[in-house]
Amino acid sequence: AQSVTQPDIHITVSEGASLELRCNYSYGATPYLFWYVQSPGQGLQLLLKYFSGDTLVQGIKGFEAEFKRSQSSFNLRKPSVHWSDAAEYFCAVGEGTGANNLFFGTGTRLTVIP
Amino acid sequence: DVKVTQSSRYLVKRTGEKVFLECVQDMDHENMFWYRQDPGLGLRLIYFSYDVKMKEKGDIPEGYSVSREKKERFSLILESASTNQTSMYLCASRSGSGANVLTFGAGSRLTVL
Repeated sequence: AQSVTQPDIHITVSEGASLELRCNYSYGATPYLFWYVQSPGQGLQLLLKYFSGDTLVQGIKGFEAEFKRSQSSFNLRKPSVHWSDAAEYFCAVGEGTGANNLFFGTGTRLTVIP
Repeated sequence: DVKVTQSSRYLVKRTGEKVFLECVQDMDHENMFWYRQDPGLGLRLIYFSYDVKMKEKGDIPEGYSVSREKKERFSLILESASTNQTSMYLCASRSGSGANVLTFGAGSRLTVL
């Protein structure tokens, strides 16, 4: 069965510092991987996705993520964090284009300090 | 851009009340979903629908039902609300073809007293 682990419940970084949010998944075939962001009181917004091809994917707001099959990971990175990046981040894995469900991690809350 | 609208952002209900959460999408998407979000548990799928009048159970359907009478509208129903259904409810939609990318509404925060 698919599962997603986000080992960090809460991360605090200083504005301007680099960021890496970890995501590990369990899935038998090639996964479809996603990162979503949720600002306080809002729904989820897609940051980026990986379906196939280049394992380094670029997303919105300056985020990127790298798919590493050998490590079953899809970590999210940003070279310089802005105060507006404070939010909750969710990693998700899906079965493919026709799948009816995504499996979400439990989320990582990011706090940005001045 | 696809817009998914959840008409009720905040609701307070009493135990035993019947609760309707409404979701409307404006991009002719075939698939619609209801998720429940709780701290430390992430998002869990309650029900989804892949066509009008069609529905399938997700991971946690107990205590919930759904209705999809029109393509653009997907309702979540709590027949008799209980305190353990206090949560954030998120609706999402997705095209039936192409990429498996969900578009979410802003959420409905339900408190059951």
